[in-house]
Amino acid sequence: GNSVTQMEGPVTLSEEAFLTINCTYTATGYPSLFWYVQYPGEGLQLLLKATKADDKGSNKGFEATYRKETTSFHLEKGSVQVSDSAVYFCALRSYTGFQKLVFGTGTRLLVSP
Amino acid sequence: DTGVSQDPRHKITKRGQNVTFRCDPISEHNRLYWYRQTLGQGPEFLTYFQNEAQLEKSRLLSDRFSAERPKGSFSTLEIQRTEQGDSAMYLCASTIGLAGGSSYNEQFFGPGTRLTVL
Repeated sequence: GNSVTQMEGPVTLSEEAFLTINCTYTATGYPSLFWYVQYPGEGLQLLLKATKADDKGSNKGFEATYRKETTSFHLEKGSVQVSDSAVYFCALRSYTGFQKLVFGTGTRLLVSP
Repeated sequence: DTGVSQDPRHKITKRGQNVTFRCDPISEHNRLYWYRQTLGQGPEFLTYFQNEAQLEKSRLLSDRFSAERPKGSFSTLEIQRTEQGDSAMYLCASTIGLAGGSSYNEQFFGPGTRLTVL
């Protein structure tokens, strides 16, 4: 079945440091890939997405590239801010069926001033 | 506010009691999903509605769980005879898509209902 594996946290960084959160997936066919973010006390929000191989999703300085050959969708940001502290979830959605989302376990990011 | 809303936000109950949660999706969204998120884990799919029809149920949804979407608008999720293992955040998401077709539209999530079973 479909599954998502992402690096365990917490990831602790100083402000302005470079961020990478690894995500790999297993899926049949050609899923769409997503990063969701959950800020403290808030609901899940879509951060970025990519719907086909080699697509790059980007938003708020975050980027992730859909790599079919390595089945990966790593999240990166060049310079993190304290306000980026949150839990980040990698997810996939199959093209077939009812397009339910399959999530990774989440990675907590803590950014200190 | 035109987002997805859920009620209640928090529910504490004793083992063996029944609980019911409500989700109000974005008004024009015909697709509605329920997910469950336990501590330290990502959300897991429970069930899916297209309009009023429940089209898919996860194996996680035991016989004690039932979900409805009677008029294709709001949805309810009921848990009977709650167990401590039911303690989790219950999330609702909605999106719009063609009946029987694929959809690349974003799923919008509500804030969740946190259930604690004592």
